[in-house]
Amino acid sequence: DAKTTQPNSMESNEEEPVHLPCNHSTISGTDYIHWYRQLPSQGPEYVIHGLTSNVNNRMASLAIAEDRKSSTLILHRATLRDAAVYYCIGGDNDMRFGAGTRLTVKP
Amino acid sequence: EAEVAQSPRYKITEKSQAVAFWCDPISGHATLYWYRQILGQGPELLVQFQDESVVDDSQLPKDRFSAERLKGVDSTLKIQPAELGDSAMYLCASSLVITGSTDTQYFGPGTRLTVL
Repeated sequence: DAKTTQPNSMESNEEEPVHLPCNHSTISGTDYIHWYRQLPSQGPEYVIHGLTSNVNNRMASLAIAEDRKSSTLILHRATLRDAAVYYCIGGDNDMRFGAGTRLTVKP
Repeated sequence: EAEVAQSPRYKITEKSQAVAFWCDPISGHATLYWYRQILGQGPELLVQFQDESVVDDSQLPKDRFSAERLKGVDSTLKIQPAELGDSAMYLCASSLVITGSTDTQYFGPGTRLTVL
């Protein structure tokens, strides 16, 4: 049974911000929240991770709810190259991927 | 930038044949993972190694699949005999250590297996 819940798909326009949500209600206090993305015909790649505080890197920002049961991956300006399946991982020290969110970016 | 290497990138085989995949993790990474990804689904963990020891192989179909990491560096995943339902992408990933939390994994490009 899945440890995380994400919408199956989302759409965005190019150059606009995208907020990708994830629920991880079973996460424990010491488990990090990881986000990965998978471009077509490639293996997943690391995007960002965090524990309690919001995190920023050159790819994205991660906003973590105060109760840590949900998080949001933020792409500040979506580009066509951001079209991918986005996975969040979190909970019970379990690297179990769900089906992820397929992000479509429209020009 | 260091990468996880996998070979072959593509493999076509007939059912009942044996097939093997190879993975070379990032140097110094103690943990190695093999995943299977069926088209349209997320990766499914098959086996996890810490150095040369198996940490988790609960989802590995042991009647036909085997995995080894003899010297704690590179790894081989074997299927014998292959079945039509084994057609999938086989992904290898590595991480520095298991920290007690889910550690960041770095994935290889995968091997696309087609069983005819």
